[in-house]
Amino acid sequence: GQSLEQPSEVTAVEGAIVQINCTYQTSGFYGLSWYQQHDGGAPTFLSYNALDGLEETGRFSSFLSRSDSYGYLLLQELQMKDSASYFCAVRGINYGQNFVFGPGTRLSVLP
Amino acid sequence: GAVVSQHPSRVICKSGTSVKIECRSLDFQATTMFWYRQFPKQSLMLMATSNEGSKATYEQGVEKDKFLINHASLTLSTLTVTSAHPEDSSFYICSANSPETRETQYFGPGTRLLVL
Repeated sequence: GQSLEQPSEVTAVEGAIVQINCTYQTSGFYGLSWYQQHDGGAPTFLSYNALDGLEETGRFSSFLSRSDSYGYLLLQELQMKDSASYFCAVRGINYGQNFVFGPGTRLSVLP
Repeated sequence: GAVVSQHPSRVICKSGTSVKIECRSLDFQATTMFWYRQFPKQSLMLMATSNEGSKATYEQGVEKDKFLINHASLTLSTLTVTSAHPEDSSFYICSANSPETRETQYFGPGTRLLVL
């Protein structure tokens, strides 16, 4: 089986940097993905790590360490519009094409 | 990126009626689509995997006779909630894998169902 853990809530101020962690237990997976979801909206893809290390996409970066069963999403230069829920997700090697999502982290950006 | 549409965006129905939700991939073909359910402040729970031309694969605990899935073409999957009850009220979201990479899912805008 697969399970992922994330902090339930994170609060930060505009302009700051915040890191959202994701730890997982899985028998094998292709990679770790991150999605953003604003209230009332659908998730949108942010980043994907197939290999260990850091992937950078503008203000967002994502990191994966398979040996530590750990990854994180780093958000820099926070803006009010970044207030949303963030989900990590994996697609297990022994789980067909299905993705399993973490419980989500609610990020609140304060002025 | 790939675009997935979903219709309707909102629906209110009476208990006992059936509701059909459509999910379309607008600019790509999707042999597989996924249906999720999300309760307020919770994560996405996979309900079933919709396979074009074959039966859907349902997750454990999801009643296949209640949540009918049809994937009749490479761009359309439908979810029908039959004999809806208030506890079926939720946010239903479909998704499809990106044609370029299987590691990216593109989500429809979701359907908010309220059963009275």
